[in-house]
Amino acid sequence: SAVISQKPSRDICQRGTSLTIQCQVDSQVTMMFWYRQQPGQSLTLIATANQGSEATYESGFVIDKFPISRPNLTFSTLTVSNMSPEDSSIYLCSVLRQGAYGYTFGSGTRLTVV
Amino acid sequence: AQSVSQHNHHVILSEAASLELGCNYSYGGTVNLFWYVQYPGQHLQLLLKYFSGDPLVKGIKGFEAEFIKSKFSFNLRKPSVQWSDTAEYFCAVLYSGAGSYQLTFGKGTKLSVIP
Repeated sequence: SAVISQKPSRDICQRGTSLTIQCQVDSQVTMMFWYRQQPGQSLTLIATANQGSEATYESGFVIDKFPISRPNLTFSTLTVSNMSPEDSSIYLCSVLRQGAYGYTFGSGTRLTVV
Repeated sequence: AQSVSQHNHHVILSEAASLELGCNYSYGGTVNLFWYVQYPGQHLQLLLKYFSGDPLVKGIKGFEAEFIKSKFSFNLRKPSVQWSDTAEYFCAVLYSGAGSYQLTFGKGTKLSVIP
């Protein structure tokens, strides 16, 4: 399975600021996803990161708040913009390889907004 | 919309007890099914998965799950739990079609195993 490096692993940020989370995969992957896991809840899909085009966002998530980049098949970033305490969560990068129906997850970024 | 239901929020068992965690999904089409485990302070790990074939799937650490299509269920089982199985368990269903994929998670079941 793919090895994912996600940075930073945790951060404490002031409200109103932005944080960019990086996801680096050790090999080319077909699809990359960004999830959020709020305290005490399950994972929620934020968006699918598309290589070379705009990300596909799920209902309730917008590009202005969560801009995503995917410049190539091994790298993606998620930015949490204009943060508020409600954005405190774990953010996870996940990848799916062509022909492999299993997702691999990064170790997550634990974000606390104060 | 697709949904995944896990019946138990928190399960407490003594060591050596048998485990069964329920999972039901809403979609009637072709699905791929997964169980993930999240140990305290760690990231998600794949426990087992079902694509096709034998509906009884064996995973790591003695876990198994049975896919019952008629019941839209994919329950996780282990005959004898250990203290090290204390973790949160997530059922997930992959819905795919027209080149798009969506992995939907259940809310998770926290398992506490008492020595």
